[in-house]
Amino acid sequence: EVQLVESGGGLVQPGGSLRLSCAASGFTFSGYWMSWVRQAPGKGLEWVANINQDGSEKYYVDSVKGRFTISRDNAKNSLYLQMNSLRAEDTAVYYCAREILGSGRWFDPWGQGTLVTVSS
Amino acid sequence: SYELTQPPSVSVSSGQTASITCSGDKLGDKYACWYQQKPGQSPVLVIYQDSKRPSGIPERFSGSNSGNTATLTISGTQAMDEADYYCQAWDSSTGVFGTGTKVTVL
Repeated sequence: EVQLVESGGGLVQPGGSLRLSCAASGFTFSGYWMSWVRQAPGKGLEWVANINQDGSEKYYVDSVKGRFTISRDNAKNSLYLQMNSLRAEDTAVYYCAREILGSGRWFDPWGQGTLVTVSS
Repeated sequence: SYELTQPPSVSVSSGQTASITCSGDKLGDKYACWYQQKPGQSPVLVIYQDSKRPSGIPERFSGSNSGNTATLTISGTQAMDEADYYCQAWDSSTGVFGTGTKVTVL
């Protein structure tokens, strides 16, 4: 069974840092692009960042550029999101998702999410 | 930046057809997909590549994409289809989600 399990969320003060992890199982992790998507409380989905199979390509939404870093460790089947200089507006559930590339690309499956709360 | 706009809400009577639109500049030139999200759950892919259904998704879910609008259609809507639905596409290597539509089954 393909599974993604996020961890690392929690309460952090504005300006602080947090590192999220996503453990993948049930598929060849090194063969897929991976993404982070977030959802603020009561709000819609927002794509945050993605990374290619060997980590040589990374893309970010403008609002996190320079503050967040996506990375992966294929030997550990793990995806990471290092979040620095956190702001209140970064408060959200963060999901990791596998990207499927075909004619177009889509997310399947998604993890259960981990909640990040930025507050003093 | 690229934007995808959806109606905030759609109401449909049980057994009837619900149509959810997703509008974006020249969206038909891109591939659109759709996700269903029920309260407290993670999103689930229901349509990819404009109109394809993943394994396990009921046939009542269908999709189309042309011009500036992608459409998710739920035929014979059931109570279990009550959820938030999001369209999604890619623009210049970045992912973009629609604003989301809450489907209420009456």
